[in-house]
Amino acid sequence: GAVVSQHPSRVICKSGTSVKIECRSLDFQATTMFWYRQFPKQSLMLMATSNEGSKATYEQGVEKDKFLINHASLTLSTLTVTSAHPEDSSFYICSASDQTYNSPLHFGNGTRLTVT
Amino acid sequence: EDQVTQSPEALRLQEGESSSLNCSYTVSGLRGLFWYRQDPGKGPEFLFTLYSAGEEKEKERLKATLTKKESFLHITAPKPEDSATYLCAFDGGATNKLIFGTGTLLAVQP
Repeated sequence: GAVVSQHPSRVICKSGTSVKIECRSLDFQATTMFWYRQFPKQSLMLMATSNEGSKATYEQGVEKDKFLINHASLTLSTLTVTSAHPEDSSFYICSASDQTYNSPLHFGNGTRLTVT
Repeated sequence: EDQVTQSPEALRLQEGESSSLNCSYTVSGLRGLFWYRQDPGKGPEFLFTLYSAGEEKEKERLKATLTKKESFLHITAPKPEDSATYLCAFDGGATNKLIFGTGTLLAVQP
């Protein structure tokens, strides 16, 4: 089945620094990937849709200048949390589909970001 | 506004005690209802997709059903390894853009 790899799994950074999270589709090409955020004991909240070769589409209330998304190839999307603050601490998860008919979204294993 | 609501928020079962989880939705033009399992600290794992009322799908001890207003995830004779958060989601209109419910935290005790 389709595999989505996310790296790193955990990262701790200081306030004011930037952190980059990578999401790769290992055995398929993904023109679209999705970035979600999950707070403890809450569900997944869609942040943005990452489109290969074009600008990402952000959900209402998500700051595009804080959460930079780059989808430079059909197998890689990156999320950069810029000038991170403690309130950005969360579990970030990416997902992708091989977009064959009726194929489901497959998720990476997430990145636990802690900003101190 | 399109939305999906899951109940109960948490469920504790004894091993072998069957039960059902509910996912109620109000979505105009549903294009797919999805069930995922999420273990702590992990990303969601795909279980089922349902597209039309009356559809059912099974996988081991799990069976998902769909009506025009809700979906159920039936768990038959659960085992401790079935303990996880179960999430339902609907297709938000754009290609594979999923909108998730709040989940049901299932704990199965031996």
